[in-house]
Amino acid sequence: EIVMTQSPATLSVSPGERATLSCRASQSVSSNLVWYQQKPGQAPRLLISGASTRATGIPARFSGTGSATEFTLTISSLQSEDFAVYYCQQYNAWPYNFGQGTKVEI
Amino acid sequence: QVQLQESGPGLVEPSQTLSLTCTVSGGSMSSGRYFWSWIRQTAGKGLEWIGRIYDRGSTNYDPSLESRVTISMDMSRNQFSLNLISVTAADTAVYYCARWSSSGSGNFHFDYWGPGTLVTVSS
Repeated sequence: EIVMTQSPATLSVSPGERATLSCRASQSVSSNLVWYQQKPGQAPRLLISGASTRATGIPARFSGTGSATEFTLTISSLQSEDFAVYYCQQYNAWPYNFGQGTKVEI
Repeated sequence: QVQLQESGPGLVEPSQTLSLTCTVSGGSMSSGRYFWSWIRQTAGKGLEWIGRIYDRGSTNYDPSLESRVTISMDMSRNQFSLNLISVTAADTAVYYCARWSSSGSGNFHFDYWGPGTLVTVSS
């Protein structure tokens, strides 16, 4: 099965700064990758699918890039509501595993 | 607006069966376009996709859980269910039901989730 590895585990940033989150697959997943945001006590929320396509209603400050085994989620200017945990998930081969998450904190 | 809601016991004894139901509102499960799924989350293992049901009963399960899991659906009630047998403390988690969907451009994702329900395995 494909293992998804996210780094760093925790990212400390200030509001207004740029955040860059990494997700690596143990084998190629093409562009079959999703990014989610999760806040405490809530279910994950879809941000990006197909590695780079923002979901409806997601602000343009969120962008996804990458293919094959290396992916990046960039938040261009962090807002207070963006402090959360971010997960990547591949859907190239079953089981569609998630990464362990990156916590973005102040 | 599609909504999903998990229901079931919050406490299950070791070696017993964990049973949860997800009720879907605001849309029909019978469209055939979606994969209805169970995911769980623990502090130790993070998010884990347990399995999915689609096409009026086809299923896929995570290989590590496949021997203990059954997912079924009742389209007349717009519900799908999870049964996990022989539970241990390691099965303590927040369990989510969710809809796996396509955006139409070939991209797939979970677009709707239930709020989640904590299930504790303990005597």
